[in-house]
Amino acid sequence: DGGITQSPKYLFRKEGQNVTLSCEQNLNHDAMYWYRQDPGQGLRLIYYSQIVNDFQKGDIAEGYSVSREKKESFPLTVTSAQKNPTAFYLCASSIIRSTNEKLFFGSGTQLSVL
Amino acid sequence: AQKITQTQPGMFVQEKEAVTLDCTYDTSDPSYGLFWYKQPSSGEMIFLIYQGSYDQQNATEGRYSLNFQKARKSANLVISASQLGDSAMYFCALSMEYGNKLVFGAGTILRVKS
Repeated sequence: DGGITQSPKYLFRKEGQNVTLSCEQNLNHDAMYWYRQDPGQGLRLIYYSQIVNDFQKGDIAEGYSVSREKKESFPLTVTSAQKNPTAFYLCASSIIRSTNEKLFFGSGTQLSVL
Repeated sequence: AQKITQTQPGMFVQEKEAVTLDCTYDTSDPSYGLFWYKQPSSGEMIFLIYQGSYDQQNATEGRYSLNFQKARKSANLVISASQLGDSAMYFCALSMEYGNKLVFGAGTILRVKS
C-alpha cells in the first residue's frame, strides 16, 4: 500500500544533541512538508520541498534543517539550536503544490527532551 | 495575513445526531481552498473534505458536508449521524494560491456520547 512512513514513533533527545526524524513516501509525490504540533494548537509549517534538491523555510524553521536528496525521502534534523523541541512532528506530501491538492500525512513522531 | 479561526475548543454530541464545527478564515487571495482534517488519538491526520473558493456547490463526502458561506468567510463542517468513531480532533485549514503553505486552525475536540 502506498503511504508515508515516519520513524521513529517516539524519540528522546539529550541536551545539545542533534536528532533526525525520518520521512519516506512511496506515493510518487513531488511536494513534501514538515509540520510541528504543540498540545492544544494547530500545525505549524517548518520546511517544505517541491522538488528534489530544493526546499524552503516555513514559519518556524529556526533550529531545524532538512535535505531532499531523493524524491521519496525528506528527513528533518532537530538541532541543538532548537531550544524547545518537545512536540509532535508530522510529515506530509502532495502530488504538487496547489490550492486544491490535499496533503497525505504520516503517523507522526513524538519528540521529547530528556 | 491569512488566518484560520476555530472558536470551539471542544464539543459534545449524542450518537446519531448531527454536529456543526465552526471555521472562519481571513484571506485577501481570490483563489484559495479550504480543507477539513480529522486527527484521532493515534495522531495521523485524515483528509475529510475540500472546498475551492470558486466552487458553486457546497462540498459533500458521505456523512461530511461543508457549509461554505463565502461572503461571511466561513467554512463549517457538518457531520451527520455521528458515530463513536468520530471522536477526534478536527482541523480546518486554508490553502492559498500564493504562499505555498497550508494554514491550520487550532482545532476542535469532538466527543461523541453513546
